[in-house]
Amino acid sequence: QVQVVESGGGVVQPGRSLRLSCAASGFTFSSYGMHWVRQAPGKGPEWVVLISHDGSNKYYADSVKGRFTVSRDNSKNTVYLQMNSLRAEDTAVYYCAKGEWLVDGRPDYWGQGTLVTVSS
Amino acid sequence: DIVMTQTPLSLSVTPGQPASISCKSSQSLLYSDGRTYLFWYLQKPGQSPQLLINEVSSRFSGVPDRFSGSGSGTDFTLKISRVEAEDVGVYYCMQGIHLYTFGQGTKLEIK
Repeated sequence: QVQVVESGGGVVQPGRSLRLSCAASGFTFSSYGMHWVRQAPGKGPEWVVLISHDGSNKYYADSVKGRFTVSRDNSKNTVYLQMNSLRAEDTAVYYCAKGEWLVDGRPDYWGQGTLVTVSS
Repeated sequence: DIVMTQTPLSLSVTPGQPASISCKSSQSLLYSDGRTYLFWYLQKPGQSPQLLINEVSSRFSGVPDRFSGSGSGTDFTLKISRVEAEDVGVYYCMQGIHLYTFGQGTKLEIK
């Protein structure tokens, strides 16, 4: 069955960096786009980024563009989110989610998330 | 940016009764390929969101047929024909025509 497991969250000071990882299994990882979506405490989800199946296309939300970088290693079935210049408003649970087969489409299966807290 | 507006923000339903949630987008979600990029998700308490409905009306794998989606252009509706206890949670619509934006959510509780 499809599984995506996020890791790397924690408490970080404003202005610092953090890298999240998402390990996937149960599907042909190299054929699917992957998303990161975040959810601040008590709020609805906010889409962050999509990386295409082969890493050639990356789409970012304006709120993170220039600060966050997505990448993937298809040999390791893993997608990464490098988060730089973190701000208090980046505090959220970050979910990794599987996209669609060979197209840059919507998320379907989501992981359980990893909490990122930006605080001094 | 496309704004997604859901109504109501909360509803309380007796088991076995129907429920309906509206979602309106600030611009048409009909793309030039003829497809409409509107999706519905449910986030059950303590869980991550799960995809219910693809492209307005197509139920995702494993979703019970009591869930149905309809609409076009900018106006969409999610209906539950007979609410069950396991349907509690927050329902979100999401547009996918220009990146992705979620509605503010509709919380469903059981009476």
